[in-house]
Amino acid sequence: DVKVTQSSRYLVKRTGEKVFLECVQDMDHENMFWYRQDPGLGLRLIYFSYDVKMKEKGDIPEGYSVSREKKERFSLILESASTNQTSMYLCASRSHPQGSNQPQHFGDGTRLSIL
Amino acid sequence: GNSVTQMEGPVTLSEEAFLTINCTYTATGYPSLFWYVQYPGEGLQLLLKATKADDKGSNKGFEATYRKETTSFHLEKGSVQVSDSAVYFCALSDAFSNDYKLSFGAGTTVTVRA
Repeated sequence: DVKVTQSSRYLVKRTGEKVFLECVQDMDHENMFWYRQDPGLGLRLIYFSYDVKMKEKGDIPEGYSVSREKKERFSLILESASTNQTSMYLCASRSHPQGSNQPQHFGDGTRLSIL
Repeated sequence: GNSVTQMEGPVTLSEEAFLTINCTYTATGYPSLFWYVQYPGEGLQLLLKATKADDKGSNKGFEATYRKETTSFHLEKGSVQVSDSAVYFCALSDAFSNDYKLSFGAGTTVTVRA
């Protein structure tokens, strides 16, 4: 089974802090994704990565950046955390860059609170 | 662009009732369709998928048929259990547009009472 592991289930940070959310997958997947999930808004894509050192903006990239130095790890960075970034963050991975019919596999999520 | 519309919840049912969650889509090419489920406090899990017209995906008693003529992918289960209480998301990805992103519906919260 595919395993996508997010480093923290719950995280509390303060406004203005730089926040790192880590995600690791163990199936050598090329594609990785970061979403945020908010009540009434569903899942919204923040950033995604086709492969190592590659990144693309999703629908709501403002206030975030990402890093993919190794294939198995995809980090989401909140440069200067703000209260409107309080949310559930979900990481996902998917195999084969040509295979959009392949499903994405999700981690358990990080519930981030910015005070 | 691609989009997914699913019925709004919340949906509350009694155990052994029949469940239907409607999902319709708009796509520029030939999408693959998915249903994901999110149990309380967890991430999303793939429930089932269909990659071409008339395909039927099934898993854990749930079924959905890819209907190109009605652009629909409705989720059904004949007899729900309390353990089916979760949020259900319909999603699509489109190979034709060479877009790696999933487009999600807003999610439908289902509560099954004993």
